[in-house]
Amino acid sequence: SAVISQKPSRDICQRGTSLTIQCQVDSQVTMMFWYRQQPGQSLTLIATANQGSEATYESGFVIDKFPISRPNLTFSTLTVSNMSPEDSSIYLCSVRWDFSGELFFGEGSRLTVL
Amino acid sequence: SQQGEEDPQALSIQEGENATMNCSYKTSINNLQWYRQNSGRGLVHLILIRSNEREKHSGRLRVTLDTSKKSSSLLITASRAADTASYFCAPYYGGATNKLIFGTGTLLAVQP
Repeated sequence: SAVISQKPSRDICQRGTSLTIQCQVDSQVTMMFWYRQQPGQSLTLIATANQGSEATYESGFVIDKFPISRPNLTFSTLTVSNMSPEDSSIYLCSVRWDFSGELFFGEGSRLTVL
Repeated sequence: SQQGEEDPQALSIQEGENATMNCSYKTSINNLQWYRQNSGRGLVHLILIRSNEREKHSGRLRVTLDTSKKSSSLLITASRAADTASYFCAPYYGGATNKLIFGTGTLLAVQP
């Protein structure tokens, strides 16, 4: 397993601003993913964070709105840009070591946009 | 769709009873995974069952997989109030698709 730290754990933001969420893992991992969970909903995959290259986004998510960085094998950031109340969600970072194994999740970042 | 579909959407039982949740999926899988989420927290991996396995146990958890029916079930025996959570199945298809897509989950409430 791994220790996955997400920061901030929660934040309240104003409409139109941007927030960057950090995900730090205590060991090198092959794959990192970002998910969003809107209130009362299941998890939706935003993108796969690729080390050293551009993230791979799922349908409905674009780089301009959710830029992602992954400078090394232990760290990634997700920015939620030009926020609106519809962006109020829990954002979750997850990691996997091999291509078929389980995912490990951070505790999530709860974002409220006013 | 790549996600699993859990059934029922919600389940309420008394402490000590068994809870059974089902999952169906659409195409051939490499493995299927079950996760638990306590309210507003990150997901916790419970168990992974490979496509060539039919049953797997972990403590009070028993998972079965029927690839001919494209379905899986999660049984929690002798449930406790602490088992109250949402449970998700996630089929893993392998190949170029290395991501997990989650369904809507089963919300389990265990009454003390």
